Amino acid sequence: AQSVTQLDSQVPVFEEAPVELRCNYSSSVSVYLFWYVQYPNQGLQLLLKYLSGSTLVKGINGFEAEFNKSQTSFHLRKPSVHISDTAEYFCAVSEPSSASKIIFGSGTRLSIRP
Amino acid sequence: EAGVVQSPRYKIIEKKQPVAFWCNPISGHNTLYWYLQNLGQGPELLIRYENEEAVDDSQLPKDRFSAERLKGVDSTLKIQPAELGDSAVYLCASSTGTGGETQYFGPGTRLLVL
Repeated sequence: AQSVTQLDSQVPVFEEAPVELRCNYSSSVSVYLFWYVQYPNQGLQLLLKYLSGSTLVKGINGFEAEFNKSQTSFHLRKPSVHISDTAEYFCAVSEPSSASKIIFGSGTRLSIRP
Repeated sequence: EAGVVQSPRYKIIEKKQPVAFWCNPISGHNTLYWYLQNLGQGPELLIRYENEEAVDDSQLPKDRFSAERLKGVDSTLKIQPAELGDSAVYLCASSTGTGGETQYFGPGTRLLVL
């Protein structure tokens, strides 16, 4: 069965500093991988996704993620964060055979300090 | 394009009372999801519809929860009777169901059971 582990429940960083949010997955087959963001009192919004092809995926708001099959990871990065990036970030995984069903991680709260 | 609409946004009820949540998905989206999100956790799937058919309801507590999606468009999720542990955010999402597709989330209904 597939699962997702987000190692950090909270990540505090200073404004304009780089950030990396870690995500590891477990699956016995090929996977689709996603990062969603949830701003306060809102639903989730897709940042980026990996389906196939290039392992470096670029998303909205300057975020990118790299799929590493050998390490079963899909870490999210941004070179310079802004106050507006303060939110909860969720990594998620699905399998092509049941692609409409995705499993979410427990989330990482990114807090930006001025 | 209108997003996923949910109502109400907030609901406070006493335990043992019934409660219902409504969701209107994005037009043309065949797949509809109901998720439960506890504080500090990622969304957990309760039920997934493909058009009118519930194709995955394995995580729905059927002794007290029920859902319907009449005419394959709007959906209602009901809890009867509510328990204290049901306090959470209930998210609705929709997608095209084409595999690896983006799920579009509504803002959620925050339920507090007293």
